[in-house]
Amino acid sequence: DIQMTQSPSSVSASVGDRVTITCRASQGIDTWLAWYQQKPGKAPKFLIYGASSLQSGVPSRFSGSGSGTDFTLTISSLQPEDFATYYCQQGKSFPLTFGGGTKVEIK
Amino acid sequence: EVQLVESGGDLVKPGGSLRLSCAAFGFTFSSYALSWVRQAPGRGLEWVASISTSSSSFYYADSVRGRFTISRDNAKNSVYLQMNSLRAEDTAVYYCARGASSGNYYWFDPWGQGTLVTVSS
Repeated sequence: DIQMTQSPSSVSASVGDRVTITCRASQGIDTWLAWYQQKPGKAPKFLIYGASSLQSGVPSRFSGSGSGTDFTLTISSLQPEDFATYYCQQGKSFPLTFGGGTKVEIK
Repeated sequence: EVQLVESGGDLVKPGGSLRLSCAAFGFTFSSYALSWVRQAPGRGLEWVASISTSSSSFYYADSVRGRFTISRDNAKNSVYLQMNSLRAEDTAVYYCARGASSGNYYWFDPWGQGTLVTVSS
């Protein structure tokens, strides 16, 4: 199975800050990586696929990069609605696996 | 509007069974793979099972293989999760999720609102 490891597990930031979350795969997954945002009590929201392609309707302040084993999600200028937990997920092979999540909190 | 609506979550005793349903609206159901993903209280996301468009292929997490069965009815625009031999560790919110594009298993979009399964005596 491919293990996905996110860091940090939580980050405190202010509105306007640039935030970067990393995700590492236990083996190479090319660009078979997605990112999701989840707010408390809500279903996850699909943000990015193919490591760097922005899903329609997602603000351009979100961006993704990486290939192989190392990936990043960057929020260029944090907005109040961005405080949430973010998950990466590999789509290279079954079983599909998620990272443990990164909680973005208000400083 | 593309929408998935889960139902069937309940409190069940260890060893018991439950069937979850997910009704789909607003898209050509038969063109998309469907999956179930769960989230234990206060924990992260765990993929559970996926089914292909024509029900010709199924995939399961090791933690549920042999106990859970995913199925779909394209005439009813619905996907199901039959859960048998339930354990306390199956307690979670269960989300139904569609493949993000036609035929795609690998990304999930959209997700339903979730249904809570509690396994406890």
